[in-house]
Amino acid sequence: QVQLQQWGAGLLKPSETLSLTCAVYGGSFSGYYWSWIRQPPGKGLEWIGEINHSGSTNYNPSLKSRVTISVDTSKNQFSLKLSSVTAADTAVYYCARWFLEIVDSLYYYYGMDVWGQGTTVTVSS
Amino acid sequence: SYELTQPPSVSVSPGQTARITCSGDALPKQYAYWYQQKPGQAPVLVIYKDSERPSGIPERFSGSSSGTTVTLTISGVQAEDEADYYCQSADSSGTSWVFGGGTKLTVL
Repeated sequence: QVQLQQWGAGLLKPSETLSLTCAVYGGSFSGYYWSWIRQPPGKGLEWIGEINHSGSTNYNPSLKSRVTISVDTSKNQFSLKLSSVTAADTAVYYCARWFLEIVDSLYYYYGMDVWGQGTTVTVSS
Repeated sequence: SYELTQPPSVSVSPGQTARITCSGDALPKQYAYWYQQKPGQAPVLVIYKDSERPSGIPERFSGSSSGTTVTLTISGVQAEDEADYYCQSADSSGTSWVFGGGTKLTVL
């Protein structure tokens, strides 16, 4: 049973850099895309970006200038950094696994089937 | 930027059928995914690739697609189905994922 365990600083001041890490336990790290999603208080889900085991990334265009997602395959972990945070970045941040298959270089996505527990990040002066 | 549009709320009585729609221009070309989220919990995948149901998801959950609209149908709604539901899909480039604004399902 694959589990995602995430952690990171929960309280930041404006202009600081948000840093979160997600560890994958009980399953393979390669062959999937690993995503970050956030949810502001009382609002909907927002996709932040994703990375695979090779380090290939895709980012939400609206956040791309401030986001870096990296991977450490030796530890089966991936991380999120979001720079120059403001109050608008206050949210619950989730990590999640994209279940997919690659057949003849084509990607077949089966959904985000495993999620972390969520980390509440508050930006306040 | 690309958007997926969902109704903010849907209400049904127990045992009835709930239908939640999601509209987006790229949906004819991109698959949709549906997630259920209960208060204080992480989302759970209930439908993938428009109409496929993951193992462990009750048969009363189904999905369909027609043109620029996809629909999540919950047949014989139960009290435990009360939750927020989000659709997700990719933009036309296929490299950026988008969530709909979410629909709150109320079981009367």
